[in-house]
Amino acid sequence: SAVISQKPSRDICQRGTSLTIQCQVDSQVTMMFWYRQQPGQSLTLIATANQGSEATYESGFVIDKFPISRPNLTFSTLTVSNMSPEDSSIYLCSVVEGRTGNTIYFGEGSWLTVV
Amino acid sequence: SQQGEEDPQALSIQEGENATMNCSYKTSINNLQWYRQNSGRGLVHLILIRSNEREKHSGRLRVTLDTSKKSSSLLITASRAADTASYFCATLWAAGNKLTFGGGTRVLVKP
Repeated sequence: SAVISQKPSRDICQRGTSLTIQCQVDSQVTMMFWYRQQPGQSLTLIATANQGSEATYESGFVIDKFPISRPNLTFSTLTVSNMSPEDSSIYLCSVVEGRTGNTIYFGEGSWLTVV
Repeated sequence: SQQGEEDPQALSIQEGENATMNCSYKTSINNLQWYRQNSGRGLVHLILIRSNEREKHSGRLRVTLDTSKKSSSLLITASRAADTASYFCATLWAAGNKLTFGGGTRVLVKP
């Protein structure tokens, strides 16, 4: 299975600031996704990170708030901009591994608390 | 929305007992995947069952899928305290590679 590393694993952020989360995969993958998990909730898809083009955002999420980069097939970043306490969540990177029948694997997550 | 629903939302059992949780979904799927999440951590992939499969086993885990009822179940046999976690089902859309998650079941296994 793909090994996914996320940084930072945890951070406390000041209101109004922005933070960039990095996701590194140990192999080339076609599809990468970013999810958000608010406290006590399930996961919600933010966007699909497309290599070489703009990310595809789900309803309720916009590029200005969650800019995403995908410079190559092993790396992506998600920025949470102008943070407010409502952005306190775990943000998870995930990838599709086609060799195992479209199994989707997740990183350990980045737990952000906005104060 | 294709989001699945899970029940029960929470489950408390004694070590050694079996734990069963159910997942329902709304539209056509490519496959259904179950995950475990320990508190505040990432998701660990447990098992994938394809839409043309009815049952799958992995160690102490047994997953069933009934596409006519749009439902799946996860059975953990002979539970251990280390099985304490939240369990999520997620459906992979038939039309693409997006996963949609159920609400999750919080399982507490008491020693």
